Amino acid sequence: IAGITQAPTSQILAAGRRMTLRCTQDMRHNAMYWYRQDLGLGLRLIHYSNTAGTTGKGEVPDGYSVSRANTDDFPLTLASAVPSQTSVYFCASSESGLAGHTGELFFGEGSRLTVL
Amino acid sequence: GQNIDQPTEMTATEGAIVQINCTYQTSGFNGLFWYQQHAGEAPTFLSYNVLDGLEEKGRFSSFLSRSKGYSYLLLKELQMKDSASYLCAVMDSNYQLIWGAGTKLIIKP
Repeated sequence: IAGITQAPTSQILAAGRRMTLRCTQDMRHNAMYWYRQDLGLGLRLIHYSNTAGTTGKGEVPDGYSVSRANTDDFPLTLASAVPSQTSVYFCASSESGLAGHTGELFFGEGSRLTVL
Repeated sequence: GQNIDQPTEMTATEGAIVQINCTYQTSGFNGLFWYQQHAGEAPTFLSYNVLDGLEEKGRFSSFLSRSKGYSYLLLKELQMKDSASYLCAVMDSNYQLIWGAGTKLIIKP
């Protein structure tokens, strides 16, 4: 049972470099999300997608972009990484978008990114 | 602004009962979630409350009072494996999830 797979699990990156975090789910969920988790703060939504072909901005979208070409994949790209983007990134999915959502979010295992 | 408050850290003894509180101030309310997160792992869903009252699920129960902006997670018969962070999240009127910073629960033998 795979659920949600993220890659890489960990990465050290020089500032200014471009980086794509990959996320794939095999549950055929319509909605997918990218969160970052920083010490002492709650999870913060970066971008989301309610269905394939659509994306939306979350609470902290600056410096990040996403695409949703199909149901299964939802990559997150940092065009030019900065040290403040050092964080743990979680991809998540749910059967439907958050409107009217009463079920659970399924999270990937996370990608720990360090930008030097 | 919107905020979720929960204690940063709690300590309890194996076999005992612990209550983790969560208070919230959000623009609207469409439900409250509790998640468990072991160190270095992904959050996993524990419970969902949208109406006032207590929801019981095995050793875990979650309570909600919408008028007080308050919830708690009650863990009974604590086991060492319950050592984890517990995240409270509220869905606001725009169906956005607002997350608390989490409560780290330490279980001692």
